Amino acid sequence: NAGVTQTPKFRILKIGQSMTLQCTQDMNHNYMYWYRQDPGMGLKLIYYSVGAGITDKGEVPNGYNVSRSTTEDFPLRLELAAPSQTSVYFCASSPPNTNTGELFFGEGSRLTVL
Amino acid sequence: AQSVAQPEDQVNVAEGNPLTVKCTYSVSGNPYLFWYVQYPNRGLQFLLKYITGDNLVKGSYGFEAEFNKSQTSFHLKKPSALVSDSALYFCAVREMDTGFQKLVFGTGTRLLVSP
Repeated sequence: NAGVTQTPKFRILKIGQSMTLQCTQDMNHNYMYWYRQDPGMGLKLIYYSVGAGITDKGEVPNGYNVSRSTTEDFPLRLELAAPSQTSVYFCASSPPNTNTGELFFGEGSRLTVL
Repeated sequence: AQSVAQPEDQVNVAEGNPLTVKCTYSVSGNPYLFWYVQYPNRGLQFLLKYITGDNLVKGSYGFEAEFNKSQTSFHLKKPSALVSDSALYFCAVREMDTGFQKLVFGTGTRLLVSP
């Protein structure tokens, strides 16, 4: 019963490097989300997807890109890492009925940009 | 615009005592309200939700929350705290008939239960 799986759990990047945070879910959820969590700031939505082939910007999309080629996978790409992207990143999914339900979160990926 | 406020950064309570974690919200229509808990180095876990119906909602691990429309509040409560309840708690709100992409989280309240 894996749920939402994120890799890697920890990563240190140098300024200007690129990387992809992986997210996969095995619950057949249509909706998937990427959040970042900064101390004292709660969670901010970066990007979300309502199904394969469909993505849209959230509140803080600058510096990030996403793709959704399958229902299961929703990778988040950082093209030119900046210190401001130091954060904990959470992937989440939700079932198709968006009038009720809940979010299911992965365990997070802690990224440090130096 | 939707918003949620958690006025306390930290709540301290002794084991066995009742606990309350406060949350107030602002939406233009009817709200869907949620509480999530985050244990160290883990993702958020769903605790409970208010959609419609009874104002007192019961959730996981003995937690409950009371929806108060006149005070626009959704405080999290537990009659008897456990040391294992120590964690970071997030309140969240979205307007009815909107998707989770409209979900707004509070800044979190750290609950510390002392033995």
